[in-house]
This record gives sequence, C-alpha cells and structure tokens, in this order.
Amino acid sequence: EVQLVESGGGLMQPGGSLRLSCTASGFTVSSNYMSWVRQAPGKGLEWVSVFYAGGSTYYADSVKGRFTISRDNSKNTLYLQMNSLRADDTALYYCTRYCSGPSCHRSDAFDIWGQGTMVTVSS
Amino acid sequence: DVVMTQSPLSLPVTLGQPASISCRSSQSLVYSDGNTYLNWFQQRPGQSPRRLIYKVSNRDSGVPDRFSGSGSGTDFTLKISRVEAEDVGVYYCMQATHWPWTFGQGTKVEIK
Repeated sequence: EVQLVESGGGLMQPGGSLRLSCTASGFTVSSNYMSWVRQAPGKGLEWVSVFYAGGSTYYADSVKGRFTISRDNSKNTLYLQMNSLRADDTALYYCTRYCSGPSCHRSDAFDIWGQGTMVTVSS
Repeated sequence: DVVMTQSPLSLPVTLGQPASISCRSSQSLVYSDGNTYLNWFQQRPGQSPRRLIYKVSNRDSGVPDRFSGSGSGTDFTLKISRVEAEDVGVYYCMQATHWPWTFGQGTKVEIK
C-alpha cells in the first residue's frame, strides 16, 4: 500500500527549530519529486517546498532561508528542517508526492498525501 | 505566480441536488506538451486532501462517477451530479502547469 506518514510536529516558541519527517511506504522517495504543503488553521493549502528527484530543492518565498528540505534515501524519508519559526508558520504540515518519475509526470501531481503533522508556534 | 480563483467560496446544497464549482486561472493552463494540468481536491472535515480529478476531467481511482470535471484554457468546473452527505467538505482546484504550482482558495460545500 502506498502511504506517507509524517511526524515531528509540536509546540515551539518563536525563533525555535523543529524537524519534520515523512516516511514513505509502497514507493521510493528518491525516484519521485516530494513536497511539503501546509494548511494554517481554518485556511487553505499552501505549497512550502519541493525536493526534485535529481536533488534540486525549491522553496516558497515565505519560508526561503529559514526552512531546508532534505531526504534520506536509505530510510525512504523526507525531512523539513524549520528554523527561526514564526507564529505564522503555525499549520498542519502535509507531505505529498509533487510528481512522479525522474522527469516529473505532472499527471501524478499531488496524488499521494500523508495525514499531516501539526506545528504550533506560540510563546 | 498563477492565481487560481474559485467561486463560490461557500456552497449550501440540498441532498440529491447538483452542485457546481468554478475555478479560473490568471493564465492559460495548457502546457507545452498539449495537456492541461488542472486538478481538483476534496478535503473532508478532519481529513487530508484527496485528489479527485486530474488533467481537467480524469477521475482518480475510487472516485464516484457523480464527480466530473470540465473546462479549458483558463476556465474550469467541478460538478457533483447528486450531492450526498459524504461530499461535505472543502474543494480546491490546483494547477500543475506553471511553476510554482498553486491552489485556489477553496470552496466549502455544506448541506442546507
């Protein structure tokens, strides 16, 4: 069964750091483009970051310079290192498959989602 | 960035009646390969988003055939032929043609 399971969320003070994890089963993270999408309480979906199959990484302007996406192929796991956290980073963070294959098959855009992990930034 | 604009933002519907959600993009969503990468997602209360439709009109596996997508260029529509109680939730359109991929604001479907 294809599945994504996130972990690592919690309550952090402004300025703090947190690392989210996303472990995949049923498919190989390194063969796909993988992404983080977040949803602030009561709000819509916002793309945060993507890790290309080839290794390139990209970020939304709102997190650039503060967040770092990475992956561990041996653990089939995607990560999101979140530094300098702010109150507006408070959200449910979802791990998703951005698209599949080495050349990004757009027909598979966001077809797989995890259950999400909650990050709350508050003093 | 491509702006995706949905309407209405709130849609009260009667069980068994049809429902329709509009999505407009600020640029044409036709990609260089000739395909149009417009997707629709359903998010039931307390659940993760689930993709319903990809490339405008293709239903994902397990999606009931009461859901249908249509449109072209910059104007797209998601239709539910007969709304059921399990269809309550928020629906998002999303484009995967232009980087960065972007979502609409969401349309909340509720039962009257």
